[in-house]
Amino acid sequence: NAGVTQTPKFRVLKTGQSMTLLCAQDMNHEYMYWYRQDPGMGLRLIHYSVGEGTTAKGEVPDGYNVSRLKKQNFLLGLESAAPSQTSVYFCASSYGGSPLHFGNGTRLTVT
Amino acid sequence: GESVGLHLPTLSVQEGDNSIINCAYSNSASDYFIWYKQESGKGPQFIIDIRSNMDKRQGQRVTVLLNKTVKHLSLQIAATQPGDSAVYFCAEKERGSYGKLTFGQGTILTVHP
Repeated sequence: NAGVTQTPKFRVLKTGQSMTLLCAQDMNHEYMYWYRQDPGMGLRLIHYSVGEGTTAKGEVPDGYNVSRLKKQNFLLGLESAAPSQTSVYFCASSYGGSPLHFGNGTRLTVT
Repeated sequence: GESVGLHLPTLSVQEGDNSIINCAYSNSASDYFIWYKQESGKGPQFIIDIRSNMDKRQGQRVTVLLNKTVKHLSLQIAATQPGDSAVYFCAEKERGSYGKLTFGQGTILTVHP
C-alpha cells in the first residue's frame, strides 16, 4: 500500500515551458487535491476533484489546469510556467469526511 | 476569505516536557479541524482531528482542544521527544466544502535532548 505517490520529485523549468505533475493514490479515495506550499506559508489549495471526471477551482487556480480521467490519478498541468510558480506541490486524497493523506511533494523551480 | 493562523511561529522545548501549539481561526462556519506534522522533505502527516461538536479529543501522547467561543485550537504533546521536532500545521474545513482544508502558517517545534 503506497498511499499517495507523486512524480517527479524534483523539476527545473524555464519560463514558458510546460509540464505535468502526476499524482496516484491506491486507497480508492473519491476526493483528490493539489496544494502548493511556499516558504513561510501554509498550504494553499490549487484545484480539487470530488470524483472521476470532475474538477473544481481552489484558492489559487490561475496558471494551472487539472484532469481526473481515472479515479486513482489526478494530474496538475502548467501550460506556461512562470517564476511565481516556483514552489513545492503536494497532492492529497481523502474520503469525504476523513483526513487528507498527502504525498511527499514535487519541488518545482522555474527560472 | 477567512483563514487559519498560528500565534507562535517557533517553539523550543526540552525533551520530556509537554508542548502546546496554538492556533486561531476566524471562520465560524468551520466544522472540522485537523493537525498535521511535517518533517523536512516530506508531506504533511495526520496527527489528530476534531469536529466542531467536540471540545477535546485525545490520541496517543497528543490532545486537541477546541474552544469555539474564542475560535481557538490547540495541540498538546505530552513528554515531547526529539522525533517530535517538525513543523505543525492546523487546518480547518468549512461546513459543506468537500473536504477542502485551509491551513495556517505553521509552527516550528524544536525539541532539545
